[in-house]
Amino acid sequence: DAMVIQNPRYQVTQFGKPVTLSCSQTLNHNVMYWYQQKSSQAPKLLFHYYDKDFNNEADTPDNFQSRRPNTSFCFLDIRSPGLGDAAMYLCATSRDRGREKLFFGSGTQLSVL
Amino acid sequence: AQSVTQLGSHVSVSEGALVLLRCNYSSSVPPYLFWYVQYPNQGLQLLLKYTTGATLVKGINGFEAEFKKSETSFHLTKPSAHMSDAAEYFCAVSDGRGDYKLSFGAGTTVTVRA
Repeated sequence: DAMVIQNPRYQVTQFGKPVTLSCSQTLNHNVMYWYQQKSSQAPKLLFHYYDKDFNNEADTPDNFQSRRPNTSFCFLDIRSPGLGDAAMYLCATSRDRGREKLFFGSGTQLSVL
Repeated sequence: AQSVTQLGSHVSVSEGALVLLRCNYSSSVPPYLFWYVQYPNQGLQLLLKYTTGATLVKGINGFEAEFKKSETSFHLTKPSAHMSDAAEYFCAVSDGRGDYKLSFGAGTTVTVRA
């Protein structure tokens, strides 16, 4: 049974049109992460929530926002997608930070037209 | 800050042959090291991890990795490749203390020839 669920699997949006990607977890983990993975590149951490505390990476563009309304759900909002934002977006969870194993969802492949 | 370099973006092996994926890390503090695997159309899943203790770590599906501090390496091996090992493999590092962030390598795609 899937423990970290990302919807949708594929998302197409238009240049400049806001888009929201969703992630849910059944693990009751404290930490939820969003990674961006472009083709043939390493997954890049955008931000994470440690419980309700939001932690933004210094180089994450302001165009990317996140919400975590409760333990189970986390959303990635892209306010004005550009062509360079086309990528796979991976959600992950962990019980704690540091040495803990990450559990990943299957990802959402975002296309920007 | 920590980083990893994976040598070789693509590796092709014959079924039954040794699989060797190379990973070198850079860290100013003792690192925590991980190998993740991503099968087509799936999320990443943990193969194995090294935090402290024994430097030879065994993981799932017959994979193992050895932490070598003197070489700053954490290479992944499997003695005999199976067709089901075809996937993308990512090495990752964190310091597990101050900078919790998990930094991934660019990945190595493994193909297995019959």
